[in-house]
Amino acid sequence: GENVEQHPSTLSVQEGDSAVIKCTYSDSASNYFPWYKQELGKRPQLIIDIRSNVGEKKDQRIAVTLNKTAKHFSLHITETQPEDSAVYFCAARDPRAGGTSYGKLTFGQGTILTVHP
Amino acid sequence: IAGITQAPTSQILAAGRRMTLRCTQDMRHNAMYWYRQDLGLGLRLIHYSNTAGTTGKGEVPDGYSVSRANTDDFPLTLASAVPSQTSVYFCASSHRDSNEQFFGPGTRLTVL
Repeated sequence: GENVEQHPSTLSVQEGDSAVIKCTYSDSASNYFPWYKQELGKRPQLIIDIRSNVGEKKDQRIAVTLNKTAKHFSLHITETQPEDSAVYFCAARDPRAGGTSYGKLTFGQGTILTVHP
Repeated sequence: IAGITQAPTSQILAAGRRMTLRCTQDMRHNAMYWYRQDLGLGLRLIHYSNTAGTTGKGEVPDGYSVSRANTDDFPLTLASAVPSQTSVYFCASSHRDSNEQFFGPGTRLTVL
């Protein structure tokens, strides 16, 4: 099955700096890569995603890049703010899993991002 | 109900007891999922259901069972709870035309 590795496990930055979180996946058939943000005590929420036919996607201060050849994808947050502090999870979807077109997600271990004012 | 809900919010359970975690969504989503979240291990899929009447095993299904009698409800049952099942449990759902999974607020379960 799919295996997703996420690094670093913790990341501390100063407000205004950039933050980068990286994930690698094992199954070349995976075709969808979402990123979820989970604030303390809250539920995970989707912040950005990318499909395998796209190399980069941006949404205001966040962006995701995908390298299919190397099987890795990254989350970039620019001009970080204290409210960006949270746990971030990457995931990969294998469309064959589950026997349907929407498959199952395999999540990374999470990155605790702390943005210091 | 708006979105996806879970009950109870938290529960302390004696080992060996049976427990059912409830999950309900009103978005008419086809697929539903149960995950457990443990520190350092991220979210791990327990069971899933692509549509009412069907279920499948995820990454860590042992000790858990699910049913999907209708579109809205997807209960998770621990037949005989063990301490290693202490975790935060999240239910999620998604529509067949969208990749996004929407998560419930979670249930914090402690098995003593």
